[in-house]
Amino acid sequence: DTEVTQTPKHLVMGMTNKKSLKCEQHMGHRAMYWYKQKAKKPPELMFVYSYEKLSINESVPSRFSPECPNSSLLNLHLHALQPEDSALYLCASSLWTSGVSTDTQYFGPGTRLTVL
Amino acid sequence: RKEVEQDPGPFNVPEGATVAFNCTYSNSASQSFFWYRQDCRKEPKLLMSVYSSGNEDGRFTAQLNRASQYISLLIRDSKLSDSATYLCVFSRGRFGAGTRLTVKP
Repeated sequence: DTEVTQTPKHLVMGMTNKKSLKCEQHMGHRAMYWYKQKAKKPPELMFVYSYEKLSINESVPSRFSPECPNSSLLNLHLHALQPEDSALYLCASSLWTSGVSTDTQYFGPGTRLTVL
Repeated sequence: RKEVEQDPGPFNVPEGATVAFNCTYSNSASQSFFWYRQDCRKEPKLLMSVYSSGNEDGRFTAQLNRASQYISLLIRDSKLSDSATYLCVFSRGRFGAGTRLTVKP
């Protein structure tokens, strides 16, 4: 099973709402990632969790709050977002070892977020 | 210098053509190198890992040049279904800008 699942597929929210994006994998991966992708741009790394601990935060505004309840789940809590935060939010997972070939990331289908 | 540089194209080629993409990277400590393919409104999918010795998978060949700090992807005998954006990715999720390829009949 090489599947990463994400819910919801689409989300529309107002600037005062609080919502959460969810990501799940059952591949035994110990690293999970959040990316933001705007149209015609590459994915931009937001956060990395390894062994359920936040290991990378790419200076993301505090209105985005990640959470990793266990090794299979990753959440992204959203609060007081701006219209420019509208994007495709991608989750990925990978093994977390020192081997070169083991950093392959598997991506979920993404959540398409629109902030009104 | 940007961490990763990739020519965004677009590359428009006829079916059957051979096309090559390059990506340069600035962090000499990078250890992992990949090519991903992304179709419109879909998630990136792994195409190939890139090894120092070079590797081939059917019509696709990937090369790594550590001395000049770049990776390359060669696609032979292009098919219509190869039309997509090709993204180079380095250690821990550093993406290039992506190169848009359109293969025309």
